Amino acid sequence: SAVISQKPSRDICQRGTSLTIQCQVDSQVTMMFWYRQQPGQSLTLIATANQGSEATYESGFVIDKFPISRPNLTFSTLTVSNMSPEDSSIYLCSVLQGETDTQYFGPGTRLTVL
Amino acid sequence: DAKTTQPPSMDCAEGRAANLPCNHSTISGNEYVYWYRQIHSQGPQYIIHGLKNNETNEMASLIITEDRKSSTLILPHATLRDTAVYYCIVRVIFGNEKLTFGTGTRLTIIP
Repeated sequence: SAVISQKPSRDICQRGTSLTIQCQVDSQVTMMFWYRQQPGQSLTLIATANQGSEATYESGFVIDKFPISRPNLTFSTLTVSNMSPEDSSIYLCSVLQGETDTQYFGPGTRLTVL
Repeated sequence: DAKTTQPPSMDCAEGRAANLPCNHSTISGNEYVYWYRQIHSQGPQYIIHGLKNNETNEMASLIITEDRKSSTLILPHATLRDTAVYYCIVRVIFGNEKLTFGTGTRLTIIP
């Protein structure tokens, strides 16, 4: 299975600032996903990021708020812009890999906005 | 729209088999059943998946009914480290379809 790392693992930020989360995979993958998990809730997909194309955002998420980069097949970033306390969540990177087309997840980034 | 239904919580005694049910009565012929678990806000961990045959790996067994409308994940000898939220998800394979998570079952292993 893919080994996925995320940086930072956690952060505490002030409202109005932005944070960029990095996702690194140990092998080349075509599809990467970014999820959000608000406190006590299940996971919600933010966007799908394919290398060489614009990210595709789910309903309720916009590029201005969550810009995504996908410069190569092993790396992606998600920026949470102009943060408010409602953005306090765990942000998770995920990739689709393998002969069985299985989705794997990174350890997550725990963000707290004050 | 939720494609699966799971009980919100279950308890199981340590050392016993944990049997987690999932209903997916509207499953399509090309949709697989996937199981993941999430241990205390860590990233979800893939457990097992199957189409219509029963499957077993080092973590668990997956039993899918003949009509494919329900399934059961079996942890044969539950330990305290199996305490987690377990998610049952149906998904088309090789269709670039992302996972959509429901609310899952919170399994608590009792010492």
